[in-house]
Amino acid sequence: KAGVTQTPRYLIKTRGQQVTLSCSPISGHRSVSWYQQTPGQGLQFLFEYFSETQRNKGNFPGRFSGRQFSNSRSEMNVSTLELGDSALYLCASSLAAGVGLSGANVLTFGAGSRLTVL
Amino acid sequence: GENVEQHPSTLSVQEGDSAVIKCTYSDSASNYFPWYKQELGKGPQLIIDIRSNVGEKKDQRIAVTLNKTAKHFSLHITETQPEDSAVYFCAASISINDMRFGAGTRLTVKP
Repeated sequence: KAGVTQTPRYLIKTRGQQVTLSCSPISGHRSVSWYQQTPGQGLQFLFEYFSETQRNKGNFPGRFSGRQFSNSRSEMNVSTLELGDSALYLCASSLAAGVGLSGANVLTFGAGSRLTVL
Repeated sequence: GENVEQHPSTLSVQEGDSAVIKCTYSDSASNYFPWYKQELGKGPQLIIDIRSNVGEKKDQRIAVTLNKTAKHFSLHITETQPEDSAVYFCAASISINDMRFGAGTRLTVKP
């Protein structure tokens, strides 16, 4: 069974540009969550999507946005990039028929997209 | 919202020794506590989890304990091996769409 696939793995952008990252969840998983990982802040929750709807959002500015498609694939976009946006962006998928947690409803992470802003 | 604190930030042990990482959480409603291991260049991987109706759970050399009254939980690794070297994250949550993570512990196992 294929895992969570994130593309691209590495990218370099300059300040002011925008970037789009892609995430393909495990087959059958309908929930996709995004996290930002930096050395100083650890893993910070960005947002979660289920059935093309954003169900929850973390404390990030509006420059950070996302969407989910009917096949559960998700994208996140960061506009007007700042130096501080340099980070590893992680996507995680789960079955999540509801928001409750059961034995099968766990988060599985991809390898991440490492963004460097110059 | 939930706040998770994790200690220590770095931990170095000799191969064969035990390692203990501790986390505290703030929201008494949290009922799911996973632990993730992240190796260099990879995403976090779930290694063990515990739910609030269980006080302790073991999986071979790894165990997690939970004290809901004190709102803390711990990861115990026995007979550590060099391949256990990684960054470990704890998390606390009441739902799959709002999981809050600790800052991480970098574990080094010296051969």
